[in-house]
Amino acid sequence: SQKIEQNSEALNIQEGKTATLTCNYTNYSPAYLQWYRQDPGRGPVFLLLIRENEKEKRKERLKVTFDTTLKQSLFHITASQPADSATYLCALDSGAGGSYIPTFGRGTSLIVHP
Amino acid sequence: KAGVTQTPRYLIKTRGQQVTLSCSPISGHRSVSWYQQTPGQGLQFLFEYFSETQRNKGNFPGRFSGRQFSNSRSEMNVSTLELGDSALYLCASSFTTAGEGDEQFFGPGTRLTVL
Repeated sequence: SQKIEQNSEALNIQEGKTATLTCNYTNYSPAYLQWYRQDPGRGPVFLLLIRENEKEKRKERLKVTFDTTLKQSLFHITASQPADSATYLCALDSGAGGSYIPTFGRGTSLIVHP
Repeated sequence: KAGVTQTPRYLIKTRGQQVTLSCSPISGHRSVSWYQQTPGQGLQFLFEYFSETQRNKGNFPGRFSGRQFSNSRSEMNVSTLELGDSALYLCASSFTTAGEGDEQFFGPGTRLTVL
């Protein structure tokens, strides 16, 4: 089955800088990969989806890249703000044979300092 | 449009008891997925229901079961509770099946504590 690795250490950056979070997976390339934001005590909120035939996707200050050779996705937040502080999860499908088993990484905590 | 609602929000049970959690998806959504989130294991997929049928299932024991009603509302049941079942249980709804990559909308979760 797929394993997802996200940096377990919190990422601390200054306001205005670009935050870059990494998601690595171990086995076959999934059809798509998703990024979610989770605040303490709340359910995850969907941010972006990128499909295997897409190299990059943007949405406002967010950018996601997907490198199937490296088995890696990078998630960027430009011009970061303290309100961006949260845990960011990546998720992909690790099912086989037509089944769908969404697998989430453990998440990386982002702390943006004013 | 109302979001995904889950009831109850908090629950305390003792070992050996059973529990039923409820999830009301966003109006028009036909898929409901259930997840367990713990500090040790992170967010783990339990199962997905679409149009009253279980479509996919994660790697959890048979003590965890669910069902979906014709109005897309879903319930999850855990029988013979164990201490390790203490977790935040989240449900998520989407318009099509979650396997299509459709955006999932998560509820606030039910915090279950097993004593």
